[in-house]
Amino acid sequence: NAGVTQTPKFQVLKTGQSMTLQCAQDMNHEYMSWYRQDPGMGLRLIHYSVGAGITDQGEVPNGYNVSRSTTEDFPLRLLSAAPSQTSVYFCASSAGTSGARELFFGEGSRLTVL
Amino acid sequence: KQEVTQIPAALSVPEGENLVLNCSFTDSAIYNLQWFRQDPGKGLTSLLLIQSSQREQTSGRLNASLDKSSGRSTLYIAASQPGDSATYLCAVRPSNDYKLSFGAGTTVTVRA
Repeated sequence: NAGVTQTPKFQVLKTGQSMTLQCAQDMNHEYMSWYRQDPGMGLRLIHYSVGAGITDQGEVPNGYNVSRSTTEDFPLRLLSAAPSQTSVYFCASSAGTSGARELFFGEGSRLTVL
Repeated sequence: KQEVTQIPAALSVPEGENLVLNCSFTDSAIYNLQWFRQDPGKGLTSLLLIQSSQREQTSGRLNASLDKSSGRSTLYIAASQPGDSATYLCAVRPSNDYKLSFGAGTTVTVRA
């Protein structure tokens, strides 16, 4: 029972490098989202998607791109990494298209930008 | 902008004591509220989801109440156990938006 799978679990980047965080879910959920979690700040929404081909910005979208070509996958791209993007990133999904149902989270991807 | 606050940030109780965790939000126009548990180094696990029309939701030893008009939700955990030690977060979904707002969480330690 995989649920939401994120890769990689850990990554170290140098400033200016680019990379993609992968997220896949096997629950046929329409709604998928990316959050970052920083100490004392709770989770902040980066981008979300209500279905294949549809994405929208969250609270902190700058420096990140997303695409949704299939229902299962929702990758997050860092275009030019900056130290301020050092964080733990979580992918989450839920049934339906409104994000109003129970959210299922992945285990997280811990990113350090030097 | 919806602001979600959880006080206290940390709590330590002896085993067997009942836990009371608080979540407050500034905008009462919500669709629902979820409580999550997060273990160190792990993702979040949904515990309870309360719709805006509900006053409370129960699952086993957990009970969550919602008072939309006062902007408050409370998570009660009965007869706490060391295994309940974790960080508990609440999240609010607005009635007119897809974007959930999370509190920073309350870290609970249950001492054996």
